[in-house]
Amino acid sequence: TQLLEQSPQFLSIQEGENLTVYCNSSSVFSSLQWYRQEPGEGPVLLVTVVTGGEVKKLKRLTFQFGDARKDSSLHITAAQPGDTGLYLCAGAPDSNYQLIWGAGTKLIIKP
Amino acid sequence: DARVTQTPRHKVTEMGQEVTMRCQPILGHNTVFWYRQTMMQGLELLAYFRNRAPLDDSGMPKDRFSAEMPDATLATLKIQPSEPRDSAVYFCASGSGDSGNTIYFGEGSWLTVV
Repeated sequence: TQLLEQSPQFLSIQEGENLTVYCNSSSVFSSLQWYRQEPGEGPVLLVTVVTGGEVKKLKRLTFQFGDARKDSSLHITAAQPGDTGLYLCAGAPDSNYQLIWGAGTKLIIKP
Repeated sequence: DARVTQTPRHKVTEMGQEVTMRCQPILGHNTVFWYRQTMMQGLELLAYFRNRAPLDDSGMPKDRFSAEMPDATLATLKIQPSEPRDSAVYFCASGSGDSGNTIYFGEGSWLTVV
């Protein structure tokens, strides 16, 4: 069974601090996605990484796919209260949509 | 903006009652998913369809849950009879081959069974 382990499960930090969320597996994925979910809403896709070693930036968010395509990280610089939410990673073992989901990181940014 | 539409948004029902949740996928998307989200289990895939054909419903309790796609614009998830342990948020999501593995979620149906 393929698993995606996400850490930390919960993170509460002050506005302006930096943070990193990790998503790890022993399995190789053809792609990996990061979603953010706000209370009362469904998850919304932030980014998809496909190539080993790929780095993508979305404003203050930096996403990296591991060289071996088994892990990924999300780094937020100078976190803002608007970054508060549940961050989910999801790996695609192949192209047939059977995504493997991490358990999520609940992030709270305090003003 | 194209979006996945789910109804009802909220449902409170008594144990033993039938619950039907509906989903309108994004027009043109040929893959539809039903997920359940709880605090304890996170996101669980219940079933998914491609071109209206069920491809995988192994995550769904077969004795009480059923999922169908009567047509390309409607997916349904039915629970009969409902139990308190079914209380969760049920998400529908859709995707297309053109978007790779990207799927788009609806806002969810929040179910409480008392």
